[in-house]
Amino acid sequence: GESVGLHLPTLSVQEGDNSIINCAYSNSASDYFIWYKQESGKGPQFIIDIRSNMDKRQGQRVTVLLNKTVKHLSLQIAATQPGDSAVYFCAENIGSGGSNYKLTFGKGTLLTVNP
Amino acid sequence: DAGVIQSPRHEVTEMGQEVTLRCKPISGHDYLFWYRQTMMRGLELLIYFNNNVPIDDSGMPEDRFSAKMPNASFSTLKIQPSEPRDSAVYFCASISGEYNEQFFGPGTRLTVL
Repeated sequence: GESVGLHLPTLSVQEGDNSIINCAYSNSASDYFIWYKQESGKGPQFIIDIRSNMDKRQGQRVTVLLNKTVKHLSLQIAATQPGDSAVYFCAENIGSGGSNYKLTFGKGTLLTVNP
Repeated sequence: DAGVIQSPRHEVTEMGQEVTLRCKPISGHDYLFWYRQTMMRGLELLIYFNNNVPIDDSGMPEDRFSAKMPNASFSTLKIQPSEPRDSAVYFCASISGEYNEQFFGPGTRLTVL
């Protein structure tokens, strides 16, 4: 979900469990979506992306689901590990045939994995 | 590849001083982006370049901010004069036009007293 002010949504899971991080995006014209992971003191790191002509895309231990009807994006992490602890951001882009790289980022969700 | 390089990693300055942040993109990448991250506003795009030319600077907050890219391997973001509300982490990112994955640098944490 989206955060307000200083408070990030947080998700705390046990190691080995599956995690689901949600994101509501704002622009119905957005046609490209990305999930980024940001560890403390580092820059965001690309995880997985999905185009609006798809509902689901899978990577290694991660799955992104897109519901355009309700403008909702989710990131599923299988068998969550302590190294997955980070802030996760969704970002949306109006592709314009790939020539527009303006990304609008959500406020982020803090994932904490307990050993 | 060393990735996107930013300097300095930390900068502490006093209000009214000029601040210059530097970025070296990944070699071969033809797009470069400057972002600002704060707890209140999250990650915001300030400006981006394509082949050293500024394409969109609508995110630059005001005239105190300026960015240049004199060549394909170097960009600067300058704040003059700096104000306490400019305190944030500033990220540079680059991308090859063939792909959409933006590679971020480690950021510069700016504190304006």
